[in-house]
Amino acid sequence: NAGVTQTPKFRVLKTGQSMTLLCAQDMNHEYMYWYRQDPGMGLRLIHYSVGEGTTAKGEVPDGYNVSRLKKQNFLLGLESAAPSQTSVYFCASSFQGSYEQYFGPGTRLTVT
Amino acid sequence: GENVEQHPSTLSVQEGDSAVIKCTYSDSASNYFPWYKQELGKRPQLIIDIRSNVGEKKDQRIAVTLNKTAKHFSLHITETQPEDSAVYFCAAKGGSSNTGKLIFGQGTTLQVKP
Repeated sequence: NAGVTQTPKFRVLKTGQSMTLLCAQDMNHEYMYWYRQDPGMGLRLIHYSVGEGTTAKGEVPDGYNVSRLKKQNFLLGLESAAPSQTSVYFCASSFQGSYEQYFGPGTRLTVT
Repeated sequence: GENVEQHPSTLSVQEGDSAVIKCTYSDSASNYFPWYKQELGKRPQLIIDIRSNVGEKKDQRIAVTLNKTAKHFSLHITETQPEDSAVYFCAAKGGSSNTGKLIFGQGTTLQVKP
């Protein structure tokens, strides 16, 4: 039981490049979330999903897109990376009705 | 929109002392309040949570109190140890939300000095 996993762990992008971050969970959780963590700003919700095929915007969705084609996977895409997207990205998941969120190990992204 | 404010941003205590971190929330319908601990370079992990129908909850050296009237809740750590050093986040779930969405506070860096 791996819990929540994220790939890659680290990535450096140039401005304008694109990439996809993958989140996978093996706990059969219905809900999945993408956060970004920046110093002094806590965890801010980017997008979330309440089930396969559904996604919704969080607090800071601009510049990101997501897809949830399979229940166990939640993808976060950056179409044209900007330096302001330099951050640590965390994925989380939870059971419907149980509010405890389980976090992945994070992806450190640097955009130069 | 919904907002959670957390204070202080940094807290330094001597080993054995108590530590208190406070959060206020804006949505009066919020009904779930977790606290997460994040050690350096690690993922956030839930340490304790409380629901709006309870005023206080305790788990060994940690406790959380909730004042719904004032819309604030606090984390109390007694007999602090060096391994308590970490960043602590409070969060609140909106009562009108059935999506499990949490709004997080800005975090408190706790340093426990031996």
